[in-house]
Amino acid sequence: DAGVIQSPRHEVTEMGQEVTLRCKPISGHDYLFWYRQTMMRGLELLIYFNNNVPIDDSGMPEDRFSAKMPNASFSTLKIQPSEPRDSAVYFCASSLWGTNTGELFFGEGSRLTVL
Amino acid sequence: DAKTTQPPSMDCAEGRAANLPCNHSTISGNEYVYWYRQIHSQGPQYIIHGLKNNETNEMASLIITEDRKSSTLILPHATLRDTAVYYCIVRVPTSGTYKYIFGTGTRLKVLA
Repeated sequence: DAGVIQSPRHEVTEMGQEVTLRCKPISGHDYLFWYRQTMMRGLELLIYFNNNVPIDDSGMPEDRFSAKMPNASFSTLKIQPSEPRDSAVYFCASSLWGTNTGELFFGEGSRLTVL
Repeated sequence: DAKTTQPPSMDCAEGRAANLPCNHSTISGNEYVYWYRQIHSQGPQYIIHGLKNNETNEMASLIITEDRKSSTLILPHATLRDTAVYYCIVRVPTSGTYKYIFGTGTRLKVLA
């Protein structure tokens, strides 16, 4: 299995621009999570989906952030407009309900730099 | 908010056992303890989990106190490749699923 795939791996953009991060979960997994990691705040849960439906978006910092999951194999996290304080590594993770471990499988992350 | 507290950093000599403590004094009866680690800036990787019994797998052992208010992750023979940030997490049931709330973790450095 290819694992969770995220793109782009690195993104450098200017303040005010729109940023779209993409995630392909592991095939067959029914939960998808978006996390953000910074030095100051560590790993923060932003939003998660079950069977493509957003369940809890209480971690989304503000209205500039939005996430979608149009089908079971694809999710996006969009920031519009971006700000320098959005600079972070964004991780996507997926899991399968009912497995013995309940393990989260993380992607390699998308490192965002907003100038 | 994270339900766990961990020391910010630890050192361990290569070949020795690394014992990483975690406090989770507010844990509820149905909440599992999970351990993940993050090497460099890679995505976190699952290590082990448990509810109230001690657990062991090919990577590590997990010792949970009888009152479940704390636990210890044991890497029996630490190698340089075990240098990473280790996260102790309480899995919180919510909205028909679970949330994994990461704390600040322990940065383990294995010394040659």
